[in-house]
Amino acid sequence: DAGVTQSPTHLIKTRGQQVTLRCSPKSGHDTVSWYQQALGQGPQFIFQYYEEEERQRGNFPDRFSGHQFPNYSSELNVNALLLGDSALYLCASSSQGGAGETQYFGPGTRLLVL
Amino acid sequence: QKEVEQNSGPLSVPEGAIASLNCTYSDRGSQSFFWYRQYSGKSPELIMSIYSNGDKEDGRFTAQLNKASQYVSLLIRDSQPSDSATYLCALEGAGGFKTIFGAGTRLFVKA
Repeated sequence: DAGVTQSPTHLIKTRGQQVTLRCSPKSGHDTVSWYQQALGQGPQFIFQYYEEEERQRGNFPDRFSGHQFPNYSSELNVNALLLGDSALYLCASSSQGGAGETQYFGPGTRLLVL
Repeated sequence: QKEVEQNSGPLSVPEGAIASLNCTYSDRGSQSFFWYRQYSGKSPELIMSIYSNGDKEDGRFTAQLNKASQYVSLLIRDSQPSDSATYLCALEGAGGFKTIFGAGTRLFVKA
């Protein structure tokens, strides 16, 4: 039973560029949430996708966008990268994603913006 | 005021001792609370979830919730060096689909 997978594992970009991160949920899960974790901080909720729609969004600018595919996998896109976007980006999957549902995190993508 | 507050630590305890990790939160409407463990360079993993006032035990771990005081804690009995990690307190945020995390408490268990 494959867990949550993310790609790539590491990424280096320069300011102003665009980046796409990918996530495949755990088998049987249909909901994907994305988080940003800066060094020394807890994960910050970016948004959640369910049934190919953005269901809830955190306090992130429109430069952060996403997509969910019919197979439940998801992408996170960040445009016009800033130095402050350097962080670990975590994907978490769950079943229906409601209150109290257990989330399983992927290994993350470490993004460095120079 | 932050939504979830934790002492950043580090908290250092000897092997075999009880480690006590604390967390306060600001949203009285929160109903679901979680403790995650995160080893350095790894992703968070869920240790405990708690929804009702009182204690919930799972092996060496006990979560305690006091909604009136807006306080959640995690006790780790018989602490082992392998318990050394950052412990993240989290709760269900407004809207019901997002999880709000604290900044975490670093725990060191000395052999």
